[in-house]
Amino acid sequence: EDQVTQSPEALRLQEGESSSLNCSYTVSGLRGLFWYRQDPGKGPEFLFTLYSAGEEKEKERLKATLTKKESFLHITAPKPEDSATYLCAVPSSSYKLIFGSGTRLLVRP
Amino acid sequence: GAVVSQHPSRVICKSGTSVKIECRSLDFQATTMFWYRQFPKQSLMLMATSNEGSKATYEQGVEKDKFLINHASLTLSTLTVTSAHPEDSSFYICSAAGSNQPQHFGDGTRLSIL
Repeated sequence: EDQVTQSPEALRLQEGESSSLNCSYTVSGLRGLFWYRQDPGKGPEFLFTLYSAGEEKEKERLKATLTKKESFLHITAPKPEDSATYLCAVPSSSYKLIFGSGTRLLVRP
Repeated sequence: GAVVSQHPSRVICKSGTSVKIECRSLDFQATTMFWYRQFPKQSLMLMATSNEGSKATYEQGVEKDKFLINHASLTLSTLTVTSAHPEDSSFYICSAAGSNQPQHFGDGTRLSIL
């Protein structure tokens, strides 16, 4: 069964304290792995797509990496405006997105 | 980036009312649109998938007569919650996907049934 697990469930950081979020997946044939950011009361905002192990993508303070079993979202020197819920998702064999439960990130000034 | 517009952003209405939510892809042709429901502090739950010009495919446990979906064009899909009751109160989010496009999401509709 296709499955996506994210950890930790919640993460509190001080401004400038770098850390990583984990997304472990089990899927029959990887068709991409997606990272989204969701602010309270808003829809998810697309961040990255990764397709193959070893691939990396960067955007400002965020860098996403991918292995055959998991993906990491590295946050370097975070700022309070990086506070949000970060979701990862993989397409199933029927191309429906399977979402993890998300990591709620709080960055304190 | 791609923009998906969802309207209205918030609806408060009485029990028994039917509510229509619109989802538009503004700068790309969406061959497929998706409707999700999200409960507080939980992830997105797929309700149905709709392709332009064909009937929507509903996920198990989702009542198709309760949640009517119309995908009349490559840029517009609507979700109608028929005869809404308090248990239908939730955050509904649509997304759109086109060729070579990841799913882009609307900003959601907060539905509150009194």
